[in-house]
Amino acid sequence: DSGVTQTPKHLITATGQRVTLRCSPRSGDLSVYWYQQSLDQGLQFLIQYYNGEERAKGNILERFSAQQFPDLHSELNLSSLELGDSALYFCASSTRTGESYEQYFGPGTRLTVT
Amino acid sequence: AQKITQTQPGMFVQEKEAVTLDCTYDTSDQSYGLFWYKQPSSGEMIFLIYQGSYDEQNATEGRYSLNFQKARKSANLVISASQLGDSAMYFCAMKKNDYKLSFGAGTTVTVRA
Repeated sequence: DSGVTQTPKHLITATGQRVTLRCSPRSGDLSVYWYQQSLDQGLQFLIQYYNGEERAKGNILERFSAQQFPDLHSELNLSSLELGDSALYFCASSTRTGESYEQYFGPGTRLTVT
Repeated sequence: AQKITQTQPGMFVQEKEAVTLDCTYDTSDQSYGLFWYKQPSSGEMIFLIYQGSYDEQNATEGRYSLNFQKARKSANLVISASQLGDSAMYFCAMKKNDYKLSFGAGTTVTVRA
């Protein structure tokens, strides 16, 4: 158990809908990262927050947004869902940023868009 | 852009034997970190081992060791004394000071009894 929690574990929804994925980082970790894992694109970084502020953006679509709250939990909002958004979405956390700090991953949320 | 290459899509290894998973990376930065993660069929990503670009000694964590050859830009993972529970997908990843992990395509390891 990494100490990172994600809810829900599974989500099935229809095209055009909007969903919210939730992540609670490990106790004391200020950085939260979101990744998407799909069969065609592999594991891709989406976005990072550090202590409530956005720090870095990766291949995140405009239909997607995220935020980190004062209690450090984070939410990833996916809207106008398309079939291609079906993927495993991971949240990860680390104590600090920087190249030497490992990231601990949550169990992931498997999103299926039908 | 940083690129991580794992050339072995899948590997079979006999129980109790060692296996080496290849990883090469491409960066012009001097400071970076290299990581290996394990993803079992259940889906979670488990951190295994870390190697810093300035570390002179190869990292080891239990049965995992990282064969770091900086000049060749390779960071191969060695799993010794393979166990059935080692069957999983293994990802090599790199992180620079831009915070994100960049992953390779992964190698599936199947341990045979």
